[in-house]
Amino acid sequence: GESVGLHLPTLSVQEGDNSIINCAYSNSASDYFIWYKQESGKGPQFIIDIRSNMDKRQGQRVTVLLNKTVKHLSLQIAATQPGDSAVYFCAENIKAAGNKLTFGGGTRVLVKP
Amino acid sequence: DTAVSQTPKYLVTQMGNDKSIKCEQNLGHDTMYWYKQDSKKFLKIMFSYNNKELIINETVPNRFSPKSPDKAHLNLHINSLELGDSAVYFCASRDLLLGYTFGSGTRLTVV
Repeated sequence: GESVGLHLPTLSVQEGDNSIINCAYSNSASDYFIWYKQESGKGPQFIIDIRSNMDKRQGQRVTVLLNKTVKHLSLQIAATQPGDSAVYFCAENIKAAGNKLTFGGGTRVLVKP
Repeated sequence: DTAVSQTPKYLVTQMGNDKSIKCEQNLGHDTMYWYKQDSKKFLKIMFSYNNKELIINETVPNRFSPKSPDKAHLNLHINSLELGDSAVYFCASRDLLLGYTFGSGTRLTVV
């Protein structure tokens, strides 16, 4: 069935190191994918997105990679900072389903000073 | 100015009560959503409206009734509240080019 699979693990990373968060999805009909950051007490905040016809997109300190062959999405954060500590979600948008945004389960990133 | 604003931010109520959560967006977006986030942080879509028309209605108990008086507002009314309704409810709006913007959430606690 439709699912963006990511249980809530915790990734501990040293300040200054790079972080990689992974996500698996199952719906081939998804037209684009989005990474969100959620800090405590706040709503999900957009980080970066990628269309299904792309395999890589870069932003400021972040890179998203999409592998449609194995239905895998990853978010790379360069030079992780304390302010990057949050829960990160991948989400897939399905235009054919009325632009339904389905979230994965989230990964908690803890940045150690 | 807050782009997507929800009220109240916190809501504590007894089982069996009826309550409403309000959402307003000043972004001019046509589409608005309600999401529920459970205690394990899982976010699940509940409803979507496009220009006051219901587009998405997930498997949600009919005690939950969304209402969109205009495209800038999407309210959520919940009848006969149950303990399992305790969660954080997020409103969001969507722009074709810029994507989704979420509100800061309403933490509902049913006691």
